[in-house]
Amino acid sequence: ETGVTQTPRHLVMGMTNKKSLKCEQHLGHNAMYWYKQSAKKPLELMFVYSLEERVENNSVPSRFSPECPNSSHLFLHLHTLQPEDSALYLCASSQEGMKAFFGQGTRLTVV
Amino acid sequence: AQSVAQPEDQVKVAEGNPLTVKCTYSVSGNPYLFWYVQYPNRGLQFLLKYITGDNLVKGSYGFEAEFNKSQTSFHLKKPSALVSDSALYFCAVREWDYGQNFVFGPGTRLSVLP
Repeated sequence: ETGVTQTPRHLVMGMTNKKSLKCEQHLGHNAMYWYKQSAKKPLELMFVYSLEERVENNSVPSRFSPECPNSSHLFLHLHTLQPEDSALYLCASSQEGMKAFFGQGTRLTVV
Repeated sequence: AQSVAQPEDQVKVAEGNPLTVKCTYSVSGNPYLFWYVQYPNRGLQFLLKYITGDNLVKGSYGFEAEFNKSQTSFHLKKPSALVSDSALYFCAVREWDYGQNFVFGPGTRLSVLP
């Protein structure tokens, strides 16, 4: 248990659906991250929030939309995804970037 | 720009033998370096980090890593491998003065054979 909780653990969605991934941390950290992990590809940073403000967006398609309503919660809103978006989505948090704590991930399958 | 290389996709060792998982990095400033381990269908778990100080860093589960500034390397080591060490290992780097972004290597799959 790392203190970072992601829900749901598994999600199957159609290409026309809208869904959201949730991440929650109660570690008092000031930064939260979304990473995408695909088979045979490096971990890809999608979004970074520091003090609830987005500081990085690595050219992620607009069908992924992050939201950070407070320092403990991070969402990833999904709409009109493509099959190639199927992956493990990992949330992480850190305090001043000293060490990242990861959730267990959401395994997303787009059909 | 920061980058991390893990030159070996896969490492196989026999149980009880020493293991090394290699990592090299590139940053423009001073690095923070990390090792993480990932078991199937799980998130990444922190093993150890180097910030400053001794070049040999000790971490969880008997792992250690050696920071070598001249070779820009941060290899992960363990004197005696266990079958339960079999997993995917990621090296990561963060620059001191470049926000809070962690850049990860592609990962090395470690297989410890009984």
